[in-house]
Amino acid sequence: SYVLTQPPSVSVAPGQTARITCGGNNIGSKSVHWYQQKPGQAPVLVVYDDSDRPSGIPERFSGSNSGNTATLTISRVEAGDEADYYCQVWDSSSDHPDVVFGGGTKLTVL
Amino acid sequence: QVQLVESGGGLVKPGGSLRLSCAASGFTFSDYYMSWIRQAPGKGLEWVSYISSSGSTIYYADSVKGRFTISRDNAKNSLYLQMNSLRAEDTAVYYCARAFVEMATRGPGWFDPWGQGTLVTVSS
Repeated sequence: SYVLTQPPSVSVAPGQTARITCGGNNIGSKSVHWYQQKPGQAPVLVVYDDSDRPSGIPERFSGSNSGNTATLTISRVEAGDEADYYCQVWDSSSDHPDVVFGGGTKLTVL
Repeated sequence: QVQLVESGGGLVKPGGSLRLSCAASGFTFSDYYMSWIRQAPGKGLEWVSYISSSGSTIYYADSVKGRFTISRDNAKNSLYLQMNSLRAEDTAVYYCARAFVEMATRGPGWFDPWGQGTLVTVSS
């Protein structure tokens, strides 16, 4: 089955740029989606189709996807961005299609 | 506004059954694919199942296949998850989510929004 690998944690100072990676075999050929989850809350979509933003999501959130790595970039990080972030793809490459989530990355704002 | 509200969670013994419901409002339910996604305590997200707008296409994760059944009632704007032969490892918060279809693959793309979740605890 397809595996998505995320770093367990990323730390960044306020005002700096956070980059959260999501690794997978030839992930650049898939559409990657990103979710933000704050403690005790349901996940919220922040980026879909690699780099599109839902309405209401700040422009500070952006995404890219190429080769074996997709990246969620959060510019001018704020304290309110502290959360867990998950990447997700639809893997239709095998005879058993599957929705796959990465293990999640905890973003800490120092 | 778009809203999804889950219900039906609770404490159940191993081997027992439970039926979850998700009430949708604020959008044309019958136009959208829907999904169930779960999260064990302190763990990451795990996709459970997915159903097309008409109910004609259904996918399950291997971990629940043969035990869980997803269904929908478009007249009632409701999504369901029948869970049988429950195990301790099924303990989780279960979220329902509206699903968008990927143009390239026609498979489930992204999920937006998600409900607030309902907790299922499987324990003796």
